[in-house]
Amino acid sequence: GQNIDQPTEMTATEGAIVQINCTYQTSGFNGLFWYQQHAGEAPTFLSYNVLDGLEEKGRFSSFLSRSKGYSYLLLKELQMKDSASYLCAVADSNYQLIWGAGTKLIIKP
Amino acid sequence: DAMVIQNPRYQVTQFGKPVTLSCSQTLNHNVMYWYQQKSSQAPKLLFHYYDKDFNNEADTPDNFQSRRPNTSFCFLDIRSPGLGDAAMYLCATSRVSERNIDTQYFGPGTRLTVL
Repeated sequence: GQNIDQPTEMTATEGAIVQINCTYQTSGFNGLFWYQQHAGEAPTFLSYNVLDGLEEKGRFSSFLSRSKGYSYLLLKELQMKDSASYLCAVADSNYQLIWGAGTKLIIKP
Repeated sequence: DAMVIQNPRYQVTQFGKPVTLSCSQTLNHNVMYWYQQKSSQAPKLLFHYYDKDFNNEADTPDNFQSRRPNTSFCFLDIRSPGLGDAAMYLCATSRVSERNIDTQYFGPGTRLTVL
């Protein structure tokens, strides 16, 4: 079966750094996406990794290790507006996205 | 500059009363998706259109139907909504070819309430 695992909830402090992990088992791999979703809103695209390594985009970075079936999203200099759910999704061999249930990130002052 | 538009944003219907949700896109993407998302759960793919080819997920109930009359528009019909169909319905689009996948862009969603 296909499976995406990520923690259900995490808490961090404003100004700090947080790492959200995602592990996956899928039939084929055509890239891994991270999306941000605020409560009651649609997901918005954050990053895409298809090769191993770290992709940096401002305060957000995403890392991929295909051999380990592992990715993480790193958020630096946390702001209150970063409170949201973060969804990990993997494109399988048919280019369909397999979604994780999301990690709810709570930012405290 | 809205690129994926969904109407209505909020829909209230009665148990068993048919409802249609609409989605339109200005991105000229060849693939359109309909997802159902319940609170604190992953989006669940209901169907997708690859150009005009309709692809139904195996576990999508027959109660859900879809139409794509042209590249820009896609509709989700729920023939007899039940209480369990109350959810956020998300439309997404992407450009996909045989060797490439692009990001999925989501509309704002339609929140369906069934009374």
